[in-house]
Amino acid sequence: EDQVTQSPEALRLQEGESSSLNCSYTVSGLRGLFWYRQDPGKGPEFLFTLYSAGEEKEKERLKATLTKKESFLHITAPKPEDSATYLCAVQAGTGRRALTFGSGTRLQVQP
Amino acid sequence: DTAVSQTPKYLVTQMGNDKSIKCEQNLGHDTMYWYKQDSKKFLKIMFSYNNKELIINETVPNRFSPKSPDKAHLNLHINSLELGDSAVYFCASSQDRSTSGKYNEQFFGPGTRLTVL
Repeated sequence: EDQVTQSPEALRLQEGESSSLNCSYTVSGLRGLFWYRQDPGKGPEFLFTLYSAGEEKEKERLKATLTKKESFLHITAPKPEDSATYLCAVQAGTGRRALTFGSGTRLQVQP
Repeated sequence: DTAVSQTPKYLVTQMGNDKSIKCEQNLGHDTMYWYKQDSKKFLKIMFSYNNKELIINETVPNRFSPKSPDKAHLNLHINSLELGDSAVYFCASSQDRSTSGKYNEQFFGPGTRLTVL
């Protein structure tokens, strides 16, 4: 069974204090690993897709990396508007198109 | 322009009632999904349709029945609502594969918060 574990559950940072979120996964043949951002009362918003170990993607203050067992979402010099829940999900190579999600990391960035 | 829309945003109803949630996407995607997000914030797949054909049907009670009248719409009908059905339901869509052969990201709607009293 595919599994995704995210850590930490919650993270509080000061504005400008860089950190990383972790996503460990077990999947039958990874087709893709996805990062989403979810704000309270809203649907998940797509951030990145990573397909193979060693791949990296960047967007503003966010950078996602992938190894064979985990992915990291690095946040450089975060701002209060980066506060949200960050979700990691995997898509298996079994033909199923559905995503298996982790429980997310709630990030709070204080000014 | 809203890419994936759901109605209603909030739904409060009594146990035993039947209700429907509607979803529409204007992205031209060929695959649509229903996910359930429980109180612990886990998102779990319920159903998936590709070109109006059911391709994923997870272990969901028979009281839940998806219907896809066309590629742009996927509705969720729930019979005999129970307290445990209270959750946020998300619709999503994706294009099955890009020209590169890679699976594409899913785009989510704003969610429908269902409360069963």
